[in-house]
Amino acid sequence: AQTVTQSQPEMSVQEAETVTLSCTYDTSESNYYLFWYKQPPSRQMILVIRQEAYKQQNATENRFSVNFQKAAKSFSLKISDSQLGDTAMYFCALYNYGQNFVFGPGTRLSVLP
Amino acid sequence: GAVVSQHPSWVICKSGTSVKIECRSLDFQATTMFWYRQFPKQSLMLMATSNEGSKATYEQGVEKDKFLINHASLTLSTLTVTSAHPEDSSFYICSARNSGTSGGEQFFGPGTRLTVL
Repeated sequence: AQTVTQSQPEMSVQEAETVTLSCTYDTSESNYYLFWYKQPPSRQMILVIRQEAYKQQNATENRFSVNFQKAAKSFSLKISDSQLGDTAMYFCALYNYGQNFVFGPGTRLSVLP
Repeated sequence: GAVVSQHPSWVICKSGTSVKIECRSLDFQATTMFWYRQFPKQSLMLMATSNEGSKATYEQGVEKDKFLINHASLTLSTLTVTSAHPEDSSFYICSARNSGTSGGEQFFGPGTRLTVL
């Protein structure tokens, strides 16, 4: 069975600082995709970043980057220069081809002024 | 690109009535769409997978006769909550996967808040 765990239910960070959100997963597949989605108070799910398991290079999207450790089955999200608009629920998700997304329970991030 | 719309954004209905929610992929074709339910402060719970031109696949515990799904075209899926009851009140989110790409990502609609009185 595939599982996704996010061990930090809530986190906070000061504006302009850096924060890292943790995600671990379990799958028996060797090729899969990992995602981080953001859900702000509007509740619109927004894709933040995507990582293909066969790529060793960590994905980066502007202020967002991941630390993908395949052997450890770890996929953390680093947000640099945090902004007030980054306040949201963040969900880690695992996708194996032909199967459904598996979402983690989420981490609520508050960016403090 | 990759925009998914959902209508209505919120709806209030009386117990016993039916409510239809539409999900559209605006700038891509989606062979597969998904319907989720989200309770407050919780993660998304997959209800069913909607496949264009065929029957939906429901997750265990989801009543197919209560939550009717139709995926009549490559850009439209609908969820009908039949004989709604207060316990059906929730936030419903649809998503779509772009048939033309292999990246696997899902693009989400803005959600529908359903309140059953």
